[in-house]
Amino acid sequence: EPEVTQTPSHQVTQMGQEVILRCVPISNHLYFYWYRQILGQKVEFLVSFYNNEISEKSEIFDDQFSVERPDGSNFTLKIRSTKLEDSAMYFCASSRTGNNQPQHFGDGTRLSIL
Amino acid sequence: EDKVVQSPLSLVVHEGDTVTLNCSYEVTNFRSLLWYKQEKKAPTFLFMLTSSGIEKKSGRLSSILDKKELSSILNITATQTGDSAIYLCAVGEEYGNKLVFGAGTILRVKS
Repeated sequence: EPEVTQTPSHQVTQMGQEVILRCVPISNHLYFYWYRQILGQKVEFLVSFYNNEISEKSEIFDDQFSVERPDGSNFTLKIRSTKLEDSAMYFCASSRTGNNQPQHFGDGTRLSIL
Repeated sequence: EDKVVQSPLSLVVHEGDTVTLNCSYEVTNFRSLLWYKQEKKAPTFLFMLTSSGIEKKSGRLSSILDKKELSSILNITATQTGDSAIYLCAVGEEYGNKLVFGAGTILRVKS
């Protein structure tokens, strides 16, 4: 069964550095998402992406965050200048269409900011 | 603000027991409710519910939505140790694509 894949599985970075988290969504899916889960807290929506542009974003998704679909398969989340509070599990998800189809999640990237 | 509340927070049962997990929501423009199972990593999709009163079933798992009560239940019959996981409830809105998640129910099935 096709699945969403994310790399790396764990990223350790110094505060202030830039990180790029990578995702390969399911191939025939058109909507892409990023969520994060801080340890012990709920899964929180960050951003959704469709037709090469952001369709929705949360208050968490401020100017230090950006997303890109650099080619036909990858979907990336960039955090420009990381802070300690960015430490979390970041999940990528995709869905075939919008809100009438389920979102399928990748295994996540654990981001640790030192 | 949209809110999804799951109960109980955690549950320990013995193999063979039946469990019922609850999810209630307050969402401005409700579209769908989804259940996911989270073991070590990715939340794995279980069910998507949009219509009230129609049960969805997959093996020993079943779920139903009650739009009048703004809630859903997830039933697992004849539990097995492999059912041990965090069960997440999430709600989708009519306008927009984001999911709002509950805190999850931690289920532990003892052999």
